[in-house]
Amino acid sequence: NAGVTQTPKFQVLKTGQSMTLQCAQDMNHEYMSWYRQDPGMGLRLIHYSVGAGITDQGEVPNGYNVSRSTTEDFPLRLLSAAPSQTSVYFCASSSGTGLEAFFGQGTRLTVV
Amino acid sequence: RKEVEQDPGPFNVPEGATVAFNCTYSNSASQSFFWYRQDCRKEPKLLMSVYSSGNEDGRFTAQLNRASQYISLLIRDSKLSDSATYLCVVAPPALIFGKGTTLSVSS
Repeated sequence: NAGVTQTPKFQVLKTGQSMTLQCAQDMNHEYMSWYRQDPGMGLRLIHYSVGAGITDQGEVPNGYNVSRSTTEDFPLRLLSAAPSQTSVYFCASSSGTGLEAFFGQGTRLTVV
Repeated sequence: RKEVEQDPGPFNVPEGATVAFNCTYSNSASQSFFWYRQDCRKEPKLLMSVYSSGNEDGRFTAQLNRASQYISLLIRDSKLSDSATYLCVVAPPALIFGKGTTLSVSS
């Protein structure tokens, strides 16, 4: 099983560019979420989804958009990249809220 | 006030030591509690769930006190391979992570 797959693993963007971080899971999980992890800050929730067509904001949603058109995919869009968005991004999925989450390997994003 | 707060660490202990991590959470409606482990630059992975009655998995024991909104993790007989960052997590609706406590076990 692939589990949770994130692409790309590494990315460098220029300020103002847009891009989409991809996340796909093959476990038929309803619940998916995006986190960013910065040194000394722990994992902070950006957006989450409890099923196809349903998304909600987390702790740090500004500058990011999400959509959930299928159960498998939950892409994260950076609208206009800023240096403050330099971080490691993790996608996670679980079979329900409050249950064990499985994480992708992360995307290391640098905005210059 | 952050929703989940942990001992900042780092904890530096010799092999064979017993070490305890503490965590408090602010949302009294939280229903699910976990400890995750994260190795350097890797994704977090579930270490164990935490139940009100307390639970044990080998050398690891987790406790939950709902009245005090307090969670703990005890590691006995520490191994070099236990060196990692330990994350306290509460839910729902989403998993909310503490900043983590770093453990370094030395020989």
